[in-house]
Amino acid sequence: QQPVQSPQAVILREGEDAVINCSSSKALYSVHWYRQKHGEAPVFLMILLKGGEQKGHEKISASFNEKKQQSSLYLTASQLSYSGTYFCGTGTDSWGKLQFGAGTQVVVTP
Amino acid sequence: GAVVSQHPSRVICKSGTSVKIECRSLDFQATTMFWYRQFPKQSLMLMATSNEGSKATYEQGVEKDKFLINHASLTLSTLTVTSAHPEDSSFYICSASTRGQGPLYEQYFGPGTRLTVT
Repeated sequence: QQPVQSPQAVILREGEDAVINCSSSKALYSVHWYRQKHGEAPVFLMILLKGGEQKGHEKISASFNEKKQQSSLYLTASQLSYSGTYFCGTGTDSWGKLQFGAGTQVVVTP
Repeated sequence: GAVVSQHPSRVICKSGTSVKIECRSLDFQATTMFWYRQFPKQSLMLMATSNEGSKATYEQGVEKDKFLINHASLTLSTLTVTSAHPEDSSFYICSASTRGQGPLYEQYFGPGTRLTVT
């Protein structure tokens, strides 16, 4: 079952902050965040595991609430390059299979 | 980050023909690769999980005989769309997983293949 992402879209001015949320009805093992620009492949941003381990880009931060099966991605001091569609992928075990949310379109304007 | 390549990037074929798409992990070994399909402005839909040396695992609703997957080596998986029809036209993306190299496994995506069936 697909995780639910919110909001569907957000428009920011350069320098502003935004939060993208991802929630699942299933018990999660991991949450993965990707950014996709039009016509390109998704680019890995971050992985968060239950238990607290995480790995990702230095300028991107995220959280994982294991009790609520929710994750949030924080875009801080946004830059024009942050524009794109952000997807969360959720995994329920260590085998690596992910289900992706519908995506959140982020537009950063000058 | 790790690099995954896909070939071809674009292909146009006639209805009824077969098309093979290759997915390669260039700088790491991937025991597991995944194949996705993405329609315009929509999410990534997992089609199948490709495991090196064993049969692929298909998601519900995906025809095994139509989408043939072979994971012949630790760096190569192929997807063959057999007897293609216009409704198979889509953006096909593969990913390679670093699973098995630590708990923090990542999936790295290839650049995708745009298939158009005429």
